[in-house]
Amino acid sequence: KAGVTQTPRYLIKTRGQQVTLSCSPISGHRSVSWYQQTPGQGLQFLFEYFSETQRNKGNFPGRFSGRQFSNSRSEMNVSTLELGDSALYLCASSAGQGSYTFGSGTRLTVV
Amino acid sequence: AQSVTQLGSHVSVSEGALVLLRCNYSSSVPPYLFWYVQYPNQGLQLLLKYTSAATLVKGINGFEAEFKKSETSFHLTKPSAHMSDAAEYFCAAHGSGNTGKLIFGQGTTLQVKP
Repeated sequence: KAGVTQTPRYLIKTRGQQVTLSCSPISGHRSVSWYQQTPGQGLQFLFEYFSETQRNKGNFPGRFSGRQFSNSRSEMNVSTLELGDSALYLCASSAGQGSYTFGSGTRLTVV
Repeated sequence: AQSVTQLGSHVSVSEGALVLLRCNYSSSVPPYLFWYVQYPNQGLQLLLKYTSAATLVKGINGFEAEFKKSETSFHLTKPSAHMSDAAEYFCAAHGSGNTGKLIFGQGTTLQVKP
């Protein structure tokens, strides 16, 4: 059974650019959540998608957005990148409450 | 607001010694509690979870945790530390409702000395 796949694993972008990260959940999982991990702020919830609808959103600026496709794959987009957006971005897929499987993450570096 | 607090950002033990990582949650947090482990440059791996069944939860790699409602705690233990246990550990709680939101503690880095 394939796990959660995040691509790319590493990314370097310049301030002001935009970036799109991808997450393929475990087959059959309809919920995908995104988290930002930084040394200073720890793990913070970005948003969650379920059946192509955003079901919950964390306290991040509107530059952070996401979407989910009919096959449950999800993408998150960050526009107008800032140095502070450098982080490990993790996604988790879930089949329901109490079951979250994380991907290996995308390491984004903004220079 | 719901919160999860991990006491001690760094814990150091000798190989073979008891591992105890502390986690407290706010009383309004629903009963789903988790411990995850993260190795460098990797994602989070689930060690164990509490879902209001048994209060003593056994996980992978010899870890276990006990849910104590009176103390609002969910501490993680392992009787004998291995060098391979060196990693960062996160306690987390499921947010209210079916929203797919986990609330994480700040993490505890476990160092295992030979």
